Amino acid sequence: AIQMTQSPSSLSASVGDRVTITCRASQVMRNDLGWFQQKPGKAPKLLIYDASTLQTGVPSRFSGRGSGTDFTLTISNLQPEDSATYYCLQDYSFPLHFGGGTKVEIK
Amino acid sequence: EVQLVESGGGLVQPGGSLRLSCTASGFNFGTYAMIWVRQAPGRGLEWISGISAYGGSTDYADPVKGRFTISRDNSRNTLFLQMNSLRPDDTAVYFCAKRGATVGQPGAFDCWGHGTLVTVSS
Repeated sequence: AIQMTQSPSSLSASVGDRVTITCRASQVMRNDLGWFQQKPGKAPKLLIYDASTLQTGVPSRFSGRGSGTDFTLTISNLQPEDSATYYCLQDYSFPLHFGGGTKVEIK
Repeated sequence: EVQLVESGGGLVQPGGSLRLSCTASGFNFGTYAMIWVRQAPGRGLEWISGISAYGGSTDYADPVKGRFTISRDNSRNTLFLQMNSLRPDDTAVYFCAKRGATVGQPGAFDCWGHGTLVTVSS
């Protein structure tokens, strides 16, 4: 089973900052990765799929990169509404596996 | 509007059973694979099961294998999760989600329900 290790587990940044979250897979998995944003008490929301494709309606300050085993989610020009927990999901092989999550706090 | 609505959660004693439902609307349910994901209180997301569009292929995470069964009724636009031999560590909010495309688009689970809470306690 492919496990996803996500880092950091939390970060604090200011409005306008650029932040990067990393997921590392335990095995090579092409680009079969999604990124999700979750706010407290809400369902996850799809941001990025296929490692780098922005979901319709998601602001362009969100971007994804990577392939193989190393993937990143970058939020450029951080906004107050970006305060949330972010998760990666490997969709290469069953069982699917989420990273442990990164809680983003706005200073 | 594409929508998923979960139901069937509640309080159950250890060893008991529950059947969750996820009712879909606004899209051709029978052509999309579906998954169940859970989130224990204060914890991260955990994928637990998936099913292909026509129900012929299913997969499970190790913690639920042999106890949970995923199924679907495409004529009723409904996804199910039968949960047996429930344990306190199954306590979580359970979400259903759909794939964003019938083929391709890996990682694109684009529509999620609001979740239903399952509490396993005596």
